[in-house]
Amino acid sequence: DADVTQTPRNRITKTGKRIMLECSQTKGHDRMYWYRQDPGLGLRLIYYSFDVKDINKGEISDGYSVSRQAQAKFSLSLESAIPNQTALYFCATESGGFYNEQFFGPGTRLTVL
Amino acid sequence: GQQLNQSPQSMFIQEGEDVSMNCTSSSIFNTWLWYKQDPGEGPVLLIALYKAGELTSNGRLTAQFGITRKDSFLNISASIPSDVGIYFCAGLLYSGGGADGLTFGKGTHLIIQP
Repeated sequence: DADVTQTPRNRITKTGKRIMLECSQTKGHDRMYWYRQDPGLGLRLIYYSFDVKDINKGEISDGYSVSRQAQAKFSLSLESAIPNQTALYFCATESGGFYNEQFFGPGTRLTVL
Repeated sequence: GQQLNQSPQSMFIQEGEDVSMNCTSSSIFNTWLWYKQDPGEGPVLLIALYKAGELTSNGRLTAQFGITRKDSFLNISASIPSDVGIYFCAGLLYSGGGADGLTFGKGTHLIIQP
């Protein structure tokens, strides 16, 4: 079974709709991240969380919100989706401490029409 | 924020050739990571570097953490078809209180011609 799972894997929605992307992990890591990938731009950090009560904005947080419901779950919401939010979204986890290796989920491909 | 310049953007090589790619930064990093992304998948960690000057190998892959802490390279020897994918460098500045996420390069797209 995958250590980091994301649902849905693919989603097509319309402008103005509210969308939630979910991430779950079984690695027992405290730290979780949401990234967005666009062709030719690499991965950019949207939000991150170091534990259940901790939420931090990343490089491109505008238009997004997150919720850390439990250590194992970190969800990303688009309150009112717009076409330029069409992208591949990745969740990642990290154990923390000195060895900062991040483990990625399989991604969610979101298309906003 | 920190910026990473990764080059080349893409590489078209013959099977069996060696591959070299690198990343440079305007800022110093405490950690350099190299990831590979296969189509339809999330990035998978290949090599992690934690000390300036460190040279680490993982099979046919070798990566180095530059002495200035502002650059890193990844070499792949004797490429094979399954090496195809997008390779990302990522840097992290760990400030003791926590890390605020990796800074990624834009990726090197490796294409291998049989």
